[in-house]
Amino acid sequence: EAQVTQNPRYLITVTGKKLTVTCSQNMNHEYMSWYRQDPGLGLRQIYYSMNVEVTDKGDVPEGYKVSRKEKRNFPLILESPSPNQTSLYFCASSLSRGGNTEAFFGQGTRLTVV
Amino acid sequence: AQKVTQAQTEISVVEKEDVTLDCVYETRDTTYYLFWYKQPPSGELVFLIRRNSFDEQNEISGRYSWNFQKSTSSFNFTITASQVVDSAVYFCALYPYGGATNKLIFGTGTLLAVQP
Repeated sequence: EAQVTQNPRYLITVTGKKLTVTCSQNMNHEYMSWYRQDPGLGLRQIYYSMNVEVTDKGDVPEGYKVSRKEKRNFPLILESPSPNQTSLYFCASSLSRGGNTEAFFGQGTRLTVV
Repeated sequence: AQKVTQAQTEISVVEKEDVTLDCVYETRDTTYYLFWYKQPPSGELVFLIRRNSFDEQNEISGRYSWNFQKSTSSFNFTITASQVVDSAVYFCALYPYGGATNKLIFGTGTLLAVQP
């Protein structure tokens, strides 16, 4: 089954404690992105990747890091989480750039930073 | 500016009523794609439709229909004979083809509550 898998689904952590949210896709997609969803703001892109070792910032990259060492994985790293990073996070992948293919989204990770 | 506006924050209807969710977009690109996603209470994003800027035909899929009008930069979504299972947040999104970031630009979403 084609899917994007994020882990964990729920996470409560304390300020400053490094964490990683994993994202894996089994569709051999080149393009992957991370978004965060906040009330009244919709979803905003954090980082994106066009292929292995190729990543770049989206609209709200501050406080986040990513890596793309393998095509299927695109982890999101919060080196020192802060309460303003409490949000719902989505990983997405697509076969090609350009919007002419569907973006597949993971199930979401609800992160709370206290 | 590249932007999607969903002016309706919340809509409440009674089952079997028809409801239209509005979406207005802004883009300077001549080629772009428009999407609708559904987010049920469980939180995942469910893809509903993709439409490119050169295809202005309206589309119907069961109880769902979409009205794309380039003249008014709108891509509205209508649910006919709504059901309780339609209760969700609905997002409209824009993909401007000229963008380098492979980014979907989302609206702020419309929360639809269908009462039994």
